Amino acid sequence: EDQVTQSPEALRLQEGESSSLNCSYTVSGLRGLFWYRQDPGKGPEFLFTLYSAGEEKEKERLKATLTKKESFLHITAPKPEDSATYLCAVQAGGTGNQFYFGTGTSLTVIP
Amino acid sequence: DSGVTQTPKHLITATGQRVTLRCSPRSGDLSVYWYQQSLDQGLQFLIQYYNGEERAKGNILERFSAQQFPDLHSELNLSSLELGDSALYFCASSPGHNQETQYFGPGTRLLVL
Repeated sequence: EDQVTQSPEALRLQEGESSSLNCSYTVSGLRGLFWYRQDPGKGPEFLFTLYSAGEEKEKERLKATLTKKESFLHITAPKPEDSATYLCAVQAGGTGNQFYFGTGTSLTVIP
Repeated sequence: DSGVTQTPKHLITATGQRVTLRCSPRSGDLSVYWYQQSLDQGLQFLIQYYNGEERAKGNILERFSAQQFPDLHSELNLSSLELGDSALYFCASSPGHNQETQYFGPGTRLLVL
């Protein structure tokens, strides 16, 4: 069964305290893994797409990595404005190109 | 602002009723995706259309249907509404049909009483 699991559910960090969010997946025929940021009451905002194991992408304080079983979103020296829910999603080629989202990690960065 | 528009922003209706949610994709995007987000289940993929044709289907209930029109806007029809259908409904769009970055609209909040 295709599924995506994110951990932790919630994370509180002091400003400047680096950490990582985890996205574990089991999927038939990974077409792509996506990271999104979602602020309360708003639509998800695209961050990264990763297509194959070993791939890495960076944007400002965020870096996403991918292995055959999981992806990590590393946050370096976070700021309060990084507070949001971070969602991971996969596209499964084996099930008609469906998209599966994790339930997200709620990140709070304390000044 | 992602460039994806959704109307209405809020909708309150009663059980058993039917509603239509509308989505206009970003200029030039050919794919439209519909998602349901509820507190207990997270973001659930419903259906994708590409240039007017159904491209991928998720766990969309038989009471729900969607279509994409020649001008590429899309509508999601929800009928025989139940209390459990209360959720945020998001539309997203992308330029192509596969392995694409999706740009999400602001959502329609549906409350079924």
